[in-house]
Formats: sequence, structure tokens, C-alpha cells
Amino acid sequence: GQQLNQSPQSMFIQEGEDVSMNCTSSSIFNTWLWYKQDPGEGPVLLIALYKAGELTSNGRLTAQFGITRKDSFLNISASIPSDVGIYFCAGQSLKKTSYDKVIFGPGTSLSVIP
Amino acid sequence: DTAVSQTPKYLVTQMGNDKSIKCEQNLGHDTMYWYKQDSKKFLKIMFSYNNKELIINETVPNRFSPKSPDKAHLNLHINSLELGDSAVYFCASSQGGGARYTFGSGTRLTVV
Repeated sequence: GQQLNQSPQSMFIQEGEDVSMNCTSSSIFNTWLWYKQDPGEGPVLLIALYKAGELTSNGRLTAQFGITRKDSFLNISASIPSDVGIYFCAGQSLKKTSYDKVIFGPGTSLSVIP
Repeated sequence: DTAVSQTPKYLVTQMGNDKSIKCEQNLGHDTMYWYKQDSKKFLKIMFSYNNKELIINETVPNRFSPKSPDKAHLNLHINSLELGDSAVYFCASSQGGGARYTFGSGTRLTVV
């Protein structure tokens, strides 16, 4: 079945540093999304991307929909302690109907050292 | 007001018991989901309902039975609980089956 791979699996960075993470798939997706999960909470949507090549920002976060439609990238600039959490990419392929499954990646765990 | 609320937040129960988790959303979305998050944090879809109709039913033991009395509610009943059912269960909702999910805060189920 469809699978997403995320790298890195985990990262420890100093406060103020920029962060890059990516998500790849062997399948094409029509929609890419990035979610963040804080400890003890459900994932929260950060950015949604709908078009190949699209670059979208949300504050210090920037995400891109890869041109091949098989990957996506998330960058966080000037990290702060509250950026700590697990970042999940997700893809939806929209084949026959709009009710296609959303596939989640395994997550990138981010730790920020003050 | 909480957009997607699940109850209970924590559930500890013995093997063999039957338990239910409830979910309600006040966003007016027409599609609701149950996801299971295991100890490695993998999120795996279990079920999806659109306007009370089951549209996604993954390979889940038939001990798990979802019920959607209306489009704002999706409950999950689990029979004969097993140790391997221990996980965090998330309810989510979206509009039109789209991927812009709003998740609940999860129910941590521990089977002892």
C-alpha cells in the first residue's frame, strides 16, 4: 500500500536555528499536508498544499509541494522552544472520489534546546 | 468551545472487557474518522463516516464497531479488549472527506 517516509526521524537543535525536514513517497499525491502534534494532544494542521511546486508559508513555517508530486518539505526558521513536538506529513491521492484515505508519515520528532 | 471532543481522555481496563469511546464535533463537518496511534506514534486510519454512512473501513478486527448516530457524532465500541488494543485513539473531522482534519485530543486506552 501507499507509504510515506519522513526524514530525519528525530532532531535536536539549538533555539534560533533553522529546521528542515522532508517527506517522500513512491506514489503521487494530489494534496500534501503538514501537522504538528504536541505531547498529550491531537495533531494540528499547519499547512496544506494543493498544487505541484506550490510554496506556502504560515508564520515561521514554509512548506513546498514537490514538483514530482512525490515529496514535500517543511522548513521552520528561527526555532523557539514551543516548536517542540512531532511533525507529521500527510498525503491524499484523490483517485475515484474525494473520500480517499489520508496517509500519514511516521513523523519527525523535534527537540529544541534553549 | 472545543471543536472535536472525545471522552474519556484516559481509559484503563482489564482484558476481555467491552468499552466505548465517544466523539462529538461542533464544526458542522460531514465526515468523521477514527485513527489509532501506536507506541511508535504511527497514525493509522480505522474508520471514516460521511453523513452517517461508513466510507472507509480498514482491516480492523470486528471487535471494533463504530457507530454514527448523526453527522456530529462518531462513537467507537470495542468488545473483548486485548493487550494489543492499548494505544491512543484519535477522532477527527473534515468537510467533504478532505484532508484538512481537526483532531480531538485523544483517548489513551490501556488494557491490563
